[in-house]
Amino acid sequence: EPEVTQTPSHQVTQMGQEVILRCVPISNHLYFYWYRQILGQKVEFLVSFYNNEISEKSEIFDDQFSVERPDGSNFTLKIRSTKLEDSAMYFCASRLAGGLDEQFFGPGTRLTVL
Amino acid sequence: GENVEQHPSTLSVQEGDSAVIKCTYSDSASNYFPWYKQELGKRPQLIIDIRSNVGEKKDQRIAVTLNKTAKHFSLHITETQPEDSAVYFCAASIGGAGTSYGKLTFGQGTILTVHP
Repeated sequence: EPEVTQTPSHQVTQMGQEVILRCVPISNHLYFYWYRQILGQKVEFLVSFYNNEISEKSEIFDDQFSVERPDGSNFTLKIRSTKLEDSAMYFCASRLAGGLDEQFFGPGTRLTVL
Repeated sequence: GENVEQHPSTLSVQEGDSAVIKCTYSDSASNYFPWYKQELGKRPQLIIDIRSNVGEKKDQRIAVTLNKTAKHFSLHITETQPEDSAVYFCAASIGGAGTSYGKLTFGQGTILTVHP
C-alpha cells in the first residue's frame, strides 16, 4: 500500500538556522498539507497546497515558513530562521482529489531547536 | 474558524469494557469528521470517519455517531483490548471537491488506556 514518506526522521538544529523538511506524498494525490504537533499537544494545521500554490495557511505559518513542490514528487517545508518554539513533530499529509477526504499522514520529522 | 473540543483527556478502562470519546465542533459548514489513532512516536492513523449525510457508521468494534444539530460526534469502541491503548484524536473539516481544501482541525486528544 502506498505511503507518505518524510525525511529526516529527526532533525536537530541551532536557533536561527534554516531547516528543510522533506516529504514524498502518495503519487496520485493532489492536495498536500503540513501539520505540526508540539510534544503532548494536539495536531495543528500549518498549510495546504494545491495546484502548485498555497491554498490555505494558519496564523502559525508566518513569513519564516515556506513550502515548495520543486520536482513534482517532493513537497518541502522550509523554516528560514528557527526558534526554540518551532521544536515539534512535523507531519506531512496528502489527499486524493474528487471529493475523497481521507488524508494520509507521513511518519513525521521531529525537529529539535537548541 | 473551526474549533474542536474533545473530552475526556484521559480514559482508563478494563479490557472488554466499552470506551466513548466525545467531540464538539463550532463551524456548521464542517461536513467531514475523521478519527485518528496515534501510538507513541507514530503517525496518526485513520480508524473511522463520517460525513454529515449520515448519523452513524460502524466498523467491527468501532462506531462513530454524529449529531449535526448539536454539533457533536462521538467514537465508541466496544470490547476494548490492550492494543487499543493509544491517543485518539477527533477532527473536523469542510470536505469535498471545489473550493474546499480540506484542512483538518483536531481536538486535543484522549489518552486511552486499556488494562488487561
